[in-house]
Amino acid sequence: DAGVIQSPRHEVTEMGQEVTLRCKPISGHNSLFWYRQTMMRGLELLIYFNNNVPIDDSGMPEDRFSAKMPNASFSTLKIQPSEPRDSAVYFCASSSQLREEKLFFGSGTQLSVL
Amino acid sequence: QKEVEQDPGPLSVPEGAIVSLNCTYSNSAFQYFMWYRQYSRKGPELLMYTYSSGNKEDGRFTAQVDKSSKYISLFIRDSQPSDSATYLCAMSAKDTGRRALTFGSGTRLQVQP
Repeated sequence: DAGVIQSPRHEVTEMGQEVTLRCKPISGHNSLFWYRQTMMRGLELLIYFNNNVPIDDSGMPEDRFSAKMPNASFSTLKIQPSEPRDSAVYFCASSSQLREEKLFFGSGTQLSVL
Repeated sequence: QKEVEQDPGPLSVPEGAIVSLNCTYSNSAFQYFMWYRQYSRKGPELLMYTYSSGNKEDGRFTAQVDKSSKYISLFIRDSQPSDSATYLCAMSAKDTGRRALTFGSGTRLQVQP
């Protein structure tokens, strides 16, 4: 298996633009997580899905952020409109129900909002 | 106050040293404790996993959990330059229905050859 695949690896955009981050979890994993990592705040959970259903989105900063998981093999995180304070590394991770403590992370998307 | 506190470092040690990394937490519902390692420009990867209190050893790595003090540790013996990375503690209270992991902010470790 290729692991968790995220795209793009890097995204540079201007304030006010829409940004869409993509994730393909490991086949067979039924939980998917979106995390954001910054120097100041560390690794923060934004939202997680179980069997494609959003379970906890309490970490989503505000209405500008939205996430979808239309099927078991694809998820998106959208920011509209983007702001400079959204600049961070965004990670997607997946896990199986049998080993929920073992998250497999993608390589992340480095987002810079100018 | 954050639920999980971790000294950000950086921690610089000579090759062969014993390294001690620590986290404290405030939520007594946490029952599962993990250590993840993150190399530069990569996602974190699971290093150690323990349930409840006690010790667990895996090669040069030992994880300790003291639930009474709400304190967990990771010890690295005979540290190597390849151990240079950021180490994040993580915790779960999944038995309460809260399945997502809560991470510490990470400690950056540098092992000097």
